[in-house]
Amino acid sequence: DTEVTQTPKHLVMGMTNKKSLKCEQHMGHRAMYWYKQKAKKPPELMFVYSYEKLSINESVPSRFSPECPNSSLLNLHLHALQPEDSALYLCASSQGPFSYEQYFGPGTRLTVT
Amino acid sequence: ELKVEQNPLFLSMQEGKNYTIYCNYSTTSDRLYWYRQDPGKSLESLFVLLSNGAVKQEGRLMASLDTKARLSTLHITAAVHDLSATYFCAFRGGSQGNLIFGKGTKLSVKP
Repeated sequence: DTEVTQTPKHLVMGMTNKKSLKCEQHMGHRAMYWYKQKAKKPPELMFVYSYEKLSINESVPSRFSPECPNSSLLNLHLHALQPEDSALYLCASSQGPFSYEQYFGPGTRLTVT
Repeated sequence: ELKVEQNPLFLSMQEGKNYTIYCNYSTTSDRLYWYRQDPGKSLESLFVLLSNGAVKQEGRLMASLDTKARLSTLHITAAVHDLSATYFCAFRGGSQGNLIFGKGTKLSVKP
């Protein structure tokens, strides 16, 4: 099983809502990543969890709050987002932080109204 | 500064033609990745290149790596419409193994 799953596939939320994105993998990977991708742009790293500990936070606004409850699961909690936060949010995982392959999930298309 | 330069950023080709996408990266890296992305979809891994002189081929796509020149190429042979997509190169340059992506090359193959 080389699959990273993400839910929901699509999310529309208002600026006052609180929602969460979920990412799951059952490959025994110990590094998990959140990337944000705006239209016609490359993915940009947001957060890295390595062995369930946050190791990188790329100056992401506090309205994005990551959580790694266990080695298989990664959440991204969203609160008071802005319309410019609308993007494709991609989760990825790898065996370790410097491992050979990084597997991407299908993404969550987020629209903030 | 960690950065990747891809060119061209836009490529319109006719079916049956050959072309090459270039990827220059800014610092030493032990691996170089090529991904394909269809509109509205996630990233599909095409190639991982691990060493100087590495060459990998899959169908009409061939990727190579020159670590001394910090250059990777993605060569397209006899393009077909199904290859239309955006292609990203990336290198592992972040302090925690994260990927640094190029801006992407949007390829359009026309009959």
